[in-house]
Amino acid sequence: KQEVTQIPAALSVPEGENLVLNCSFTDSAIYNLQWFRQDPGKGLTSLLLIQSSQREQTSGRLNASLDKSSGRSTLYIAASQPGDSATYLCAFQGGSEKLVFGKGTKLTVNP
Amino acid sequence: EAQVTQNPRYLITVTGKKLTVTCSQNMNHEYMSWYRQDPGLGLRQIYYSMNVEVTDKGDVPEGYKVSRKEKRNFPLILESPSPNQTSLYFCASSLYRTRPLHFGNGTRLTVT
Repeated sequence: KQEVTQIPAALSVPEGENLVLNCSFTDSAIYNLQWFRQDPGKGLTSLLLIQSSQREQTSGRLNASLDKSSGRSTLYIAASQPGDSATYLCAFQGGSEKLVFGKGTKLTVNP
Repeated sequence: EAQVTQNPRYLITVTGKKLTVTCSQNMNHEYMSWYRQDPGLGLRQIYYSMNVEVTDKGDVPEGYKVSRKEKRNFPLILESPSPNQTSLYFCASSLYRTRPLHFGNGTRLTVT
């Protein structure tokens, strides 16, 4: 069974710091990997989607990379801001239509 | 505005009383799915639908039913709710499975 792990579970950083969130998966037959942001009491917002044929995707201060051989994806956030505080989740999609989520990393950016 | 709309946002019910949580999207998306989110367990997929009249089980389908009679709607039905179905439920859609998912704002269900 596919497992998706996100480490750390929580992270607190000062404003302006660059940071990396990690996501690892056990199944190498990946179709795509998505990164989401969840604010308290809200639904998830899609940040980046990386197809299996891609190595990275960028949107503004966010950069997501995918390494299929090691079963890892990272989300890099540059120059973090208090507004970046949220829970970040990654989701793995393999050959089936099922989507498997990690449990998330709760990020706090302190002013 | 492009969105996924779930109703109701909050629901308190009693064991065994049938209920339906509605989900509607206005983006002409083919793929729709339901998830539940529980502390310590994360998000788990209940059911998904690739298109009208095409549905399939996710990881935790027991106790739930779905239907996809129209492209825009994908209701989640609990025929006989039990307390272990108390959870936060999310509906999501995408143009097709390789495109980003759009989520609704969630339905918090309490079964007493």
